[in-house]
Amino acid sequence: EDQVTQSPEALRLQEGESSSLNCSYTVSGLRGLFWYRQDPGKGPEFLFTLYSAGEEKEKERLKATLTKKESFLHITAPKPEDSATYLCAVREADKIIFGKGTRLHILP
Amino acid sequence: SQTIHQWPATLVQPVGSPLSLECTVEGTSNPNLYWYRQAAGRGLQLLFYSVGIGQISSEVPQNLSASRPQDRQFILSSKKLLLSDSGFYLCAWNDRNSPLHFGNGTRLTVT
Repeated sequence: EDQVTQSPEALRLQEGESSSLNCSYTVSGLRGLFWYRQDPGKGPEFLFTLYSAGEEKEKERLKATLTKKESFLHITAPKPEDSATYLCAVREADKIIFGKGTRLHILP
Repeated sequence: SQTIHQWPATLVQPVGSPLSLECTVEGTSNPNLYWYRQAAGRGLQLLFYSVGIGQISSEVPQNLSASRPQDRQFILSSKKLLLSDSGFYLCAWNDRNSPLHFGNGTRLTVT
């Protein structure tokens, strides 16, 4: 059973069309939930860390939120350069476990 | 500042040949080190992680192995590659509870 599940697998939006990506997790005793951005052929780039339910973090057009069961990455008025794969991960002891990601494509 | 180096960037190897991928971290001491593999259309699969020299934890039993001969050096190896070993290999590090920082990856194609 997957411990980190992301949805949707892929998302196409028009430039300026806001939406949200979902990450649900099943690990107990969450010690950190992470969001990364990955461009094709490159390593993931760190975006946010969230630790407790109710916590929110923002960076430019992105805002990450956390509940006890899931996290959302909200993207407001996206631009074509926001196109990438967005990965969610959770810490379990010394391991960091990733979901399969959401491929986001913003059309100009 | 800390940096992570991973090489080579791309590699094409025949089935049955050996493999050695190297990763080094600069600017920190006693980091946690990780090897992930990313197959086409799949997420990052954790292969090995290490919290100290000589300490290797394996997540996926297969024909790959990892070693940490020095504090900031992590090596991924195979004696005989399989077609299924093809993928994008990523090395990463962190300090205790900090986020992971990734290298630029190695694209391995086994032919």
